[in-house]
Amino acid sequence: GQQLNQSPQSMFIQEGEDVSMNCTSSSIFNTWLWYKQDPGEGPVLLIALYKAGELTSNGRLTAQFGITRKDSFLNISASIPSDVGIYFCAGQLDGSARQLTFGSGTQLTVLP
Amino acid sequence: EADIYQTPRYLVIGTGKKITLECSQTMGHDKMYWYQQDPGMELHLIHYSYGVNSTEKGDLSSESTVSRIRTEHFPLTLESARPSHTSQYLCASRTSGNEQFFGPGTRLTVL
Repeated sequence: GQQLNQSPQSMFIQEGEDVSMNCTSSSIFNTWLWYKQDPGEGPVLLIALYKAGELTSNGRLTAQFGITRKDSFLNISASIPSDVGIYFCAGQLDGSARQLTFGSGTQLTVLP
Repeated sequence: EADIYQTPRYLVIGTGKKITLECSQTMGHDKMYWYQQDPGMELHLIHYSYGVNSTEKGDLSSESTVSRIRTEHFPLTLESARPSHTSQYLCASRTSGNEQFFGPGTRLTVL
């Protein structure tokens, strides 16, 4: 079946630093989604990507849909304490209901 | 902004009790999902639905059951809760454009 490798598993950074995380897949995807999850809450959709090579920004967040359609990157610029949380990538192969595959998450800690 | 709701947010019950976790969305989405997630861990799909009267089991085996009688509601039921069911349960729904939105989750503890 499809597998998503998300890295790094965890990151400790200083406030103000930029952050980069990525996901790679064993299969091609038609959609990439990035989520942030705070403790005890549900994941919140940050960015959705629909086209190979697409680069989309949401405030300080920028995500890219890899040209090979097997990877995606999320960058956070000038990190702040509220960026702390777990970031998940997810890929969708086609329109069938079941085919959203999630990465294992990147735990981000921002040190003051 | 996604309008998807889950109740209760927190539930502590004894072993053997029957429970129903509620999930509702007001966006008219056909596709809905239930995930199980332990703290800080990955999401595991346990049930999904294409629409009314359509339900399927997900990747993770679960003793829970679901129903989809109305588009808006996708409740999850455990007939006899056990400590191994302690986890966070997340409901989600998806647009036709593949954007999936999650509810706030129900944190279940079975004593």
